[in-house]
Amino acid sequence: QSVLTQPPSVSGAPGQRVTISCTGGSSNFGAGYDVHWYKQLPGSAPQLIIYDDNNRPSGVPDRFSGSKSGTSASLVITGLQSEDEADYYCQSYDDNLSEVFGTGTKVTVL
Amino acid sequence: QVTLRESGPAVVKPTQTLTLTCTFSGFSLTTTGMCVNWIRQPPGKAPEWLARIDWDGDKYHKTSLRSRLTLSKDASKNEVILRMTNMDPVDAGMYFCARSYRNWNFDTWGPGALVTVSS
Repeated sequence: QSVLTQPPSVSGAPGQRVTISCTGGSSNFGAGYDVHWYKQLPGSAPQLIIYDDNNRPSGVPDRFSGSKSGTSASLVITGLQSEDEADYYCQSYDDNLSEVFGTGTKVTVL
Repeated sequence: QVTLRESGPAVVKPTQTLTLTCTFSGFSLTTTGMCVNWIRQPPGKAPEWLARIDWDGDKYHKTSLRSRLTLSKDASKNEVILRMTNMDPVDAGMYFCARSYRNWNFDTWGPGALVTVSS
């Protein structure tokens, strides 16, 4: 059972904007730890797409953006494309549990 | 180019010990700030961090699994080895190794090794 909670699914039409939330608590986000986001296609390893709350690794489209405030974080995908259909996970550090991942969100492009 | 690859048995029996090797290239585990992590993912579930070994030899383990996990490294061979004792069917899933560098995220992952626990 994860201490980072995400909605099980979100969906949007091509070109739309979708937001994935990641709710934590006082021992992770509230303690000041950064949030990172991963995209996982079926049968593949997760891929880092946002690090340190709002930074994109080289090669990640600027359609992906991240933010964090208090004990919650968000990943926003603007201009949704078919190749964005995947599972997305947030990740941070927790004072009680070390490295932790969110419960995961499946993004469906309608 | 940074790459990692996991290798090990596809099937282990209950109560046996799982040994997985992470072979990496494109970086050195002797570089300050470099770390190799092990992460597993049961089918249809979120990833779960297991353990990490740092450039200076320090090791960190998921608290609930600490008694079952052993990490070692051979920097000259660019290998990190994970041993997990007393395997149970609930331990089945994909096992990944992943790099961290000066940060507590996982910037590069191996393709994963699928482990089944069955008699």
